[in-house]
Amino acid sequence: GQNIDQPTEMTATEGAIVQINCTYQTSGFNGLFWYQQHAGEAPTFLSYNVLDGLEEKGRFSSFLSRSKGYSYLLLKELQMKDSASYLCAVTIPGGSYIPTFGRGTSLIVHP
Amino acid sequence: EADIYQTPRYLVIGTGKKITLECSQTMGHDKMYWYQQDPGMELHLIHYSYGVNSTEKGDLSSESTVSRIRTEHFPLTLESARPSHTSQYLCASRPNSGNTIYFGEGSWLTVV
Repeated sequence: GQNIDQPTEMTATEGAIVQINCTYQTSGFNGLFWYQQHAGEAPTFLSYNVLDGLEEKGRFSSFLSRSKGYSYLLLKELQMKDSASYLCAVTIPGGSYIPTFGRGTSLIVHP
Repeated sequence: EADIYQTPRYLVIGTGKKITLECSQTMGHDKMYWYQQDPGMELHLIHYSYGVNSTEKGDLSSESTVSRIRTEHFPLTLESARPSHTSQYLCASRPNSGNTIYFGEGSWLTVV
C-alpha cells in the first residue's frame, strides 16, 4: 500500500515562515501535489512537483527529494487566511495518475 | 479556475432513503473522481471514470454506485443510506493533458 505522513497540526504567528513536511513510501513515484483546504471547502491546488528541487510560487514554495521520499511546503509572510489544512498527495506510475492523499496538516495562524 | 459543480451542498436524510449526489463539469474533462472525506481525515477514492461508459471502484470500499452517460456528468447514488454513510463527498476532474485535479465544493451528507 501507499503511505503518506504529515504532522497533524502546526501553529505559527502571522508574518512568520512555516514549513510543512511530508514523507511518503509508495510503490513508485510520478509526482507530488500540495493542496490547501479551508474548513468545509474543497481542496484547491497549490503545487505539483515532479523533479527534485525547490519551486517557488509567490509566498508558497514546494520542495521535493525523490531519493528521500520527502517534500515540504514553505509558507512565507503568513496571513490569517492561511489557516487551513494542507494536503500532500502522491501519484504513482500505472496508477492512472490518481493521487493518494495524506491526512493533511492543520495549520493555525494566530496574531 | 475550474468549473465543477456539486449538488446538494448539504443534505440530511433518513436511514434507508435513496440519494443521488450530482456532479457536473463544463471543461470537457474525460477523467472524473469521487472522494469521501471524514472530518480531519484523508481523502479516500471511492469511484473514478476515464470517460463515457467507464467507471471503476476506488481504494475504499463503498456501497455507492456511479454512472457516466455523458462526459460532463458523474452522479453518485446510495440506494439505501445508513448513518455510516455520513461524510463529505468530493467530486473532482482532471484535464485530458495535465496532472492537476480540480475539486468541486463538496456535498455534506448526514444520515439520521
